[in-house]
Amino acid sequence: EVQLVESGGGLVQPGRSLKLSCAASGFTFSNYYMAWVRQAPTKGLEWVAYISTGGGSTYYRDSVKGRFTISRDNAKSTLYLQMDSLRSEDTATYYCTTGSAPFDYWGQGVMVTVSS
Amino acid sequence: DIVLTQSPVLAVSLGQRATISCRASQSVSISSINLMHWYQQKPGQQPKLLIYRASNLASGIPARFSGSGSGTDFTLTIDPVQADDIAAYYCQQSRESPNTFGAGTKLELK
Repeated sequence: EVQLVESGGGLVQPGRSLKLSCAASGFTFSNYYMAWVRQAPTKGLEWVAYISTGGGSTYYRDSVKGRFTISRDNAKSTLYLQMDSLRSEDTATYYCTTGSAPFDYWGQGVMVTVSS
Repeated sequence: DIVLTQSPVLAVSLGQRATISCRASQSVSISSINLMHWYQQKPGQQPKLLIYRASNLASGIPARFSGSGSGTDFTLTIDPVQADDIAAYYCQQSRESPNTFGAGTKLELK
């Protein structure tokens, strides 16, 4: 059974940093593109970033370019999202997903709140 | 960016057919490949992939769900609607980067 478990969320002040992790199991992690998708409270879904199987290629939405970094450790079957210079508009539930669209499997999500 | 437009709410009776539409601001098809996907999200849960490339049922999804369409107009059909299907439904295009989602359609009971 595919499992994706996110961690690392919480309350952070504007301008500060946070690093999310996603532990994957139940499939061959190194064979899959991986992505982060977010959902602001009571809003719709928004793709954030995705990364190729080996980690050599990464893609970001414009609003997070230069602030967020997606990475992966295939030996640990873990996906990461380093978020720097956080803004209030980054407040959302962040989901770890497999694939590059469509997104086949989703974690349960982790909440990130950016507020002073 | 490609904008996907969905009606906010659709009210349906149990056992009836629900037709959820998604219109794209430009074509999301390449040759015969329609790069439109559908997700279901129940309250407090993560989204789940239902349909990929417009008409292909994802693994484990019941056959009462189906998808159709091409170019700019796509439809998700649920027939018959069951109580467990009450949720929000989102379309997503992967024709162009950034991939984008519609704002979602909430399926409600009449």
